[in-house]
Amino acid sequence: SQQGEEDPQALSIQEGENATMNCSYKTSINNLQWYRQNSGRGLVHLILIRSNEREKHSGRLRVTLDTSKKSSSLLITASRAADTASYFCATDVGGSEKLVFGKGMKLTVNP
Amino acid sequence: EAGVAQSPRYKIIEKRQSVAFWCNPISGHATLYWYQQILGQGPKLLIQFQNNGVVDDSQLPKDRFSAERLKGVDSTLKIQPAKLEDSAVYLCASSLTGTLGYTFGSGTRLTVV
Repeated sequence: SQQGEEDPQALSIQEGENATMNCSYKTSINNLQWYRQNSGRGLVHLILIRSNEREKHSGRLRVTLDTSKKSSSLLITASRAADTASYFCATDVGGSEKLVFGKGMKLTVNP
Repeated sequence: EAGVAQSPRYKIIEKRQSVAFWCNPISGHATLYWYQQILGQGPKLLIQFQNNGVVDDSQLPKDRFSAERLKGVDSTLKIQPAKLEDSAVYLCASSLTGTLGYTFGSGTRLTVV
């Protein structure tokens, strides 16, 4: 079963613009993670935010978490063509030791 | 450190044939996961091992899928017999501590024709 749901499902922007993607989930979590997947490749971990954190930064990435709304957002600033990929949010459902992934969001950054 | 190794990279088989995938996790990672990712969808957990014991296989279609992790290191996932709907990328991941430090392999892309 899918826990997270990314929104929008697809986004196309120009290089240099910011990209925001949202994730909603259903049950309590200990942490929420964002992953990137280039076409036909494995998943690459981007950033993790714990349930007691509200915002976290890593380079051009900014993630927020609102546990009251069971939602998270990932902001990629000053996007590059190389950011073109699918992005997934994943949560540890009920604090379990396994990640449950959303359906993903396809980001296209046009040069 | 070396990453999670998976083989083969690609596999094409006919329906009703059998196939096996191999995964070697990061050294020292006690937990190993197999995920199935159908095109256009997110990865779905098939089975979770802790050392050589199964923790969760609730979503593994046990009539045709089997997995083992002998000696608590590398693992194999087998499908027998394969169906068309098994066409997907099979991803292996390992972690040192629960969901922290999850590392994925590059996956095996299976096409069943």
